[in-house]
Amino acid sequence: EAQVTQNPRYLITVTGKKLTVTCSQNMNHEYMSWYRQDPGLGLRQIYYSMNVEVTDKGDVPEGYKVSRKEKRNFPLILESPSPNQTSLYFCASRPRGREAFFGQGTRLTVV
Amino acid sequence: QKEVEQDPGPLSVPEGAIVSLNCTYSNSAFQYFMWYRQYSRKGPELLMYTYSSGNKEDGRFTAQVDKSSKYISLFIRDSQPSDSATYLCAMSEVTNDYKLSFGAGTTVTVRA
Repeated sequence: EAQVTQNPRYLITVTGKKLTVTCSQNMNHEYMSWYRQDPGLGLRQIYYSMNVEVTDKGDVPEGYKVSRKEKRNFPLILESPSPNQTSLYFCASRPRGREAFFGQGTRLTVV
Repeated sequence: QKEVEQDPGPLSVPEGAIVSLNCTYSNSAFQYFMWYRQYSRKGPELLMYTYSSGNKEDGRFTAQVDKSSKYISLFIRDSQPSDSATYLCAMSEVTNDYKLSFGAGTTVTVRA
């Protein structure tokens, strides 16, 4: 089954404790992205990757890191999470010029 | 000003009504247009994808694009309670298509 898989689905952590949210896709898509979704603000792009080892900042990259060492994986790293990073996060993949496929989301709470 | 504007609603309609959703955009380079449906606590799922002006129909759903007015619409005919969700418009350029720009989403409730 074609899918984008994120883990974990829910995460509660404390300020400053490094964490990683994993994302994997099995569709061989070139593009992958991370979004955060906040009430009233819609989906905002954090980082994107056009291919292996090619990543760039989206609209709200501060406080986040990513890497793309393999085509299928695109982890999101929060080196020192803060409460303003409490949000719902989505990973997405897409082939060029086509629609995006989304994961099921990761609800992160930073206390 | 946001690149993509979408009225967040909420919108409440009786079962069987036509739901009309729309987005406006400011970037004339947008050429790919999508509508996503998102149920509570789920990821967005694609409803419609189009890259040309005019109408595209898929079952009860019709997507409309007017590039001259920078305006896109989604119509849901014979709405059902199962259509209750948040609807997001999204669009991208051709040359920089790695970036999708989303509207804020419109929350729709279809009353039985």
